[in-house]
Amino acid sequence: DVKVTQSSRYLVKRTGEKVFLECVQDMDHENMFWYRQDPGLGLRLIYFSYDVKMKEKGDIPEGYSVSREKKERFSLILESASTNQTSMYLCASSLPNSPLHFGNGTRLTVT
Amino acid sequence: ILNVEQSPQSLHVQEGDSTNFTCSFPSSNFYALHWYRWETAKSPEALFVMTLNGDEKKKGRISATLNTKEGYSYLYIKGSQPEDSATYLCAFDSGNTPLVFGKGTRLSVIA
Repeated sequence: DVKVTQSSRYLVKRTGEKVFLECVQDMDHENMFWYRQDPGLGLRLIYFSYDVKMKEKGDIPEGYSVSREKKERFSLILESASTNQTSMYLCASSLPNSPLHFGNGTRLTVT
Repeated sequence: ILNVEQSPQSLHVQEGDSTNFTCSFPSSNFYALHWYRWETAKSPEALFVMTLNGDEKKKGRISATLNTKEGYSYLYIKGSQPEDSATYLCAFDSGNTPLVFGKGTRLSVIA
């Protein structure tokens, strides 16, 4: 069974801090994605990657960056956390043209 | 911007009732339509991936239909149970870009 693991379930950070959210998948999937979920707004795509060292902006990339140095790991970086980045962050992975497998999410609070 | 609409936004039903909800999506550039179930404190899980017009898929008491010409899909739950309480997400798949999610239908089944 595919496992997508996000490093933290809950995180509390201060405004201005640099924040790293880690995601690891164990099924050799090419595709990896970072979403955030906010009430009333649904799942919004931040960044995605179709291969190692490849990254593409999603719908709301501002204030975020990503890193994919290895196939199994896709990191989301908040360069300088702000309160409007308080949200639930979901990582997902997939094979091409296949369903997504999601991690359990990281609930980030920025104070 | 591609629009995927789900209705209703939320739904409360009694245990044993059957229910259904709708996903509307663009009828052009269609590759597949995904349905996911997202239970509280868990990660979203794929229910169905549907590709052909007229497709009907079934998983236990849950089934889904697809009309690609008019751009809609219905999800049906027969004899709802409390464990069916979840947010149901649909996602439009064009085949060459990331999935575009609707905002979901939140179902509460009251015992």
